[in-house]
Amino acid sequence: DTGVSQDPRHKITKRGQNVTFRCDPISEHNRLYWYRQTLGQGPEFLTYFQNEAQLEKSRLLSDRFSAERPKGSFSTLEIQRTEQGDSAMYLCASSGGVAAKNIQYFGAGTRLSVL
Amino acid sequence: QKEVEQNSGPLSVPEGAIASLNCTYSDRGSQSFFWYRQYSGKSPELIMSIYSNGDKEDGRFTAQLNKASQYVSLLIRDSQPSDSATYLCAVLGSKSTFGDGTTLTVKP
Repeated sequence: DTGVSQDPRHKITKRGQNVTFRCDPISEHNRLYWYRQTLGQGPEFLTYFQNEAQLEKSRLLSDRFSAERPKGSFSTLEIQRTEQGDSAMYLCASSGGVAAKNIQYFGAGTRLSVL
Repeated sequence: QKEVEQNSGPLSVPEGAIASLNCTYSDRGSQSFFWYRQYSGKSPELIMSIYSNGDKEDGRFTAQLNKASQYVSLLIRDSQPSDSATYLCAVLGSKSTFGDGTTLTVKP
C-alpha cells in the first residue's frame, strides 16, 4: 500500500492550454474523488467514480473539465482551455473496502498555476 | 448558507491548553463525519471519524457528534506546537462536503 499518488506535483501552463493530471488510488479502493482547493477554502468536490463509473459531477464543473477512470484503476482529470481562475490545488482521494465507512485518503495534490 | 460551516478562526491557544473546534452541517441525513488536519501546502490527513452520537476519543483528540443539533466538534487536549494547522470538518458519503477549515496556532 503506497497511498494515493498524483502526478505531476506542480504544473505551470499558459492560459488557453490544456492540462491533464493523473491519480493512482490505493490499490484495493474502488471509489475515487477529485477536489479543487484554493487558498483559504476547503476542498471543493468536483467528481466521483465508483470503479469505472462516474457517479457524480459537481454542477460547478464547467464543460472544460473532464475526468475518466478507465478500467476502474487510475484516473485522469483534464482541463481544456485553461483560465487563470483554474489556478488551484487539485486533490485526488480514494476510498473503499468493507471497513472503509466513507473514509477518504488524499494524495499530495497537483498544484496548477495558469499564467 | 454553506452545507458545512466552521468557525473561521484563527484560533490561538497556549501550549498545553485545550483547543476546541466546531462545525455544523445542514443535511440531516448525513451519517459520516470526519476531521482532517492540513498543514500549509500539504494535503488533508485524517485525524478522526465519527458516525454515532456521543464522544469518540483517540489519544489527545476527542470528536463529539450531536445529530439532533447537527453539530460536530473536535477537542485537542494538551495542545502542542506541532498541532498548528488548519482543521477541516468533512461530511462524506454519497455527497462529499468540506468546511473551509479553522486555522489553529499553538504558541509555545
